[in-house]
Amino acid sequence: AQSVTQLGSHVSVSEGALVLLRCNYSSSVPPYLFWYVQYPNQGLQLLLKYTSAATLVKGINGFEAEFKKSETSFHLTKPSAHMSDAAEYFCAVTYHNNDMRFGAGTRLTVKP
Amino acid sequence: GAGVSQSPRYKVTKRGQDVALRCDPISGHVSLYWYRQALGQGPEFLTYFNYEAQQDKSGLPNDRFSAERPEGSISTLTIQRTEQRDSAMYRCASSLGTSGYNEQFFGPGTRLTVL
Repeated sequence: AQSVTQLGSHVSVSEGALVLLRCNYSSSVPPYLFWYVQYPNQGLQLLLKYTSAATLVKGINGFEAEFKKSETSFHLTKPSAHMSDAAEYFCAVTYHNNDMRFGAGTRLTVKP
Repeated sequence: GAGVSQSPRYKVTKRGQDVALRCDPISGHVSLYWYRQALGQGPEFLTYFNYEAQQDKSGLPNDRFSAERPEGSISTLTIQRTEQRDSAMYRCASSLGTSGYNEQFFGPGTRLTVL
């Protein structure tokens, strides 16, 4: 069955530091991959998605992710963290159906 | 507003009662999804609709859970004979197209507490 694993339930970085949130997927067929962000008391918002076009995907708020088939990974990065990036981030996968599977989430804390 | 809305935002009920959770998708969105999210976890797929047709209900935990979308717009998720383990955030999402790669727009959720 399709699934994603997010390594690290909590990540803490200093303001201005690199953000790296890890996501690995399990698949025997090409997946569609997504990163969503959830701010407190709000719904999930799409950051970016991979749909088999370019392997490096740029999203909103300066985030990007690279699809690496050999590593079955889709890690999320941002060169310089901002205080407003503090939130929970979810990686998700779907295939040619609509059964989207989410990871358990990574809570990002940004220290001043 | 133009986003996905859900009602009620909070629901507290006693064990054994039935509850109905409502989702109003973005106008024109043909696909509608229901998820359940436990504290500290990612959303868990329950079921989805294309227009009024329920396409996949494999994620519904048991036969106490059902969903409908009779006119292809508003959807209702019903939980019969609620149990304490049903307590969670229930989220609805909608998408413009029927393909799995379409962006899903999420509502704020309904927090269900079963006493």
